[in-house]
Amino acid sequence: EAGVAQSPRYKIIEKRQSVAFWCNPISGHATLYWYQQILGQGPKLLIQFQNNGVVDDSQLPKDRFSAERLKGVDSTLKIQPAKLEDSAVYLCASSSRDRGVEAFFGQGTRLTVV
Amino acid sequence: GENVEQHPSTLSVQEGDSAVIKCTYSDSASNYFPWYKQELGKGPQLIIDIRSNVGEKKDQRIAVTLNKTAKHFSLHITETQPEDSAVYFCAASPYSSASKIIFGSGTRLSIRP
Repeated sequence: EAGVAQSPRYKIIEKRQSVAFWCNPISGHATLYWYQQILGQGPKLLIQFQNNGVVDDSQLPKDRFSAERLKGVDSTLKIQPAKLEDSAVYLCASSSRDRGVEAFFGQGTRLTVV
Repeated sequence: GENVEQHPSTLSVQEGDSAVIKCTYSDSASNYFPWYKQELGKGPQLIIDIRSNVGEKKDQRIAVTLNKTAKHFSLHITETQPEDSAVYFCAASPYSSASKIIFGSGTRLSIRP
């Protein structure tokens, strides 16, 4: 089966600019996660969707970050305006209801804010 | 909420020797413990997992053990090979169809030739 697709792979922006990341999960996977991974740290959950509904967004900085999952398939994560501390790899993962929380990750988008 | 602690942060072992990475978790409701391997420039890849109704699970050179009473779980890699060099993450989650996965801080494993 095809894996989780993310784009772009790399993005460099100036602080206060906006940026958007896209994720296409594995076909049929109901659960979609966005994680932020700062260099040298473990992935930190930003938001979790079940189909097109938000299950958990307690760690999402809602003053600047937003995410949506249209029709329960693809998802976009947006940052506006970006700060220097947003520099990180943004990982998307998905899992199937039938397999519980066995999550499969995409390659991530490396964001550099200058 | 759940908190997962992982150690050591770096580990260097001679090729052919064993490597052990240990994690602790805080939430007694967690009952699913996956381990991920992350190579440079790639996303984490699930390598093995264990559920709370099992104390140990093995897959070729990789094994995981779980002590629910002590809230400890460990990854054991035997006969290490150069391709085992990577960052390893433990994680914990309540096993259901919509449960978040909380990760440890990672262990950078280096295999010396």
